[in-house]
Amino acid sequence: AQSVTQLDSHVSVSEGTPVLLRCNYSSSYSPSLFWYVQHPNKGLQLLLKYTSAATLVKGINGFEAEFKKSETSFHLTKPSAHMSDAAEYFCVPGGGYQKVTFGTGTKLQVIP
Amino acid sequence: NAGVMQNPRHLVRRRGQEARLRCSPMKGHSHVYWYRQLPEEGLKFMVYLQKENIIDESGMPKERFSAEFPKEGPSILRIQQVVRGDSAAYFCASSTGQSDTQYFGPGTRLTVL
Repeated sequence: AQSVTQLDSHVSVSEGTPVLLRCNYSSSYSPSLFWYVQHPNKGLQLLLKYTSAATLVKGINGFEAEFKKSETSFHLTKPSAHMSDAAEYFCVPGGGYQKVTFGTGTKLQVIP
Repeated sequence: NAGVMQNPRHLVRRRGQEARLRCSPMKGHSHVYWYRQLPEEGLKFMVYLQKENIIDESGMPKERFSAEFPKEGPSILRIQQVVRGDSAAYFCASSTGQSDTQYFGPGTRLTVL
């Protein structure tokens, strides 16, 4: 079964600086992986997904993530943080039977 | 194509009453999932349904909670005799197949007084 670990529960960046949200996965086979974002009092929105077609995946709002098999990582990045990026981010395994359980995610704080 | 719709967005109930939460999946989606998010916690899987079938309800509390997804109409999550601990945000997601991307609705925030 797949599982993921989000290494930071909180990340704080200044507006205009790069964002890095870390996610490591463990899987005995090639996984599919998703990043979702949840703004306060809102539902989850799909940012991007990896399904083995390309290791660098571009998502919405300027986010991208790179699948690195050697590091078993799928970190989410953005070159320049915007105030509207403040939210909670979830790295989620997928594929196979979709009984997905989301962890507590990573809360991103953007400081003006 | 409208996204996943949930209603009501906010629901207030007194202890002992029933709560009914509705989820209309995206057009063409026949798989529905319900999740619960307690305050300051992550989302937890509750139940996975296809039209007229419950595929997996292992995340549902054994009592008072039930879900259905009829042939026609929205999926319903029903909570009988609500208690304060049921206060949470309930999210529904839908997909075209069990291995496909889940798209989430905006959630229903249930408050039990």
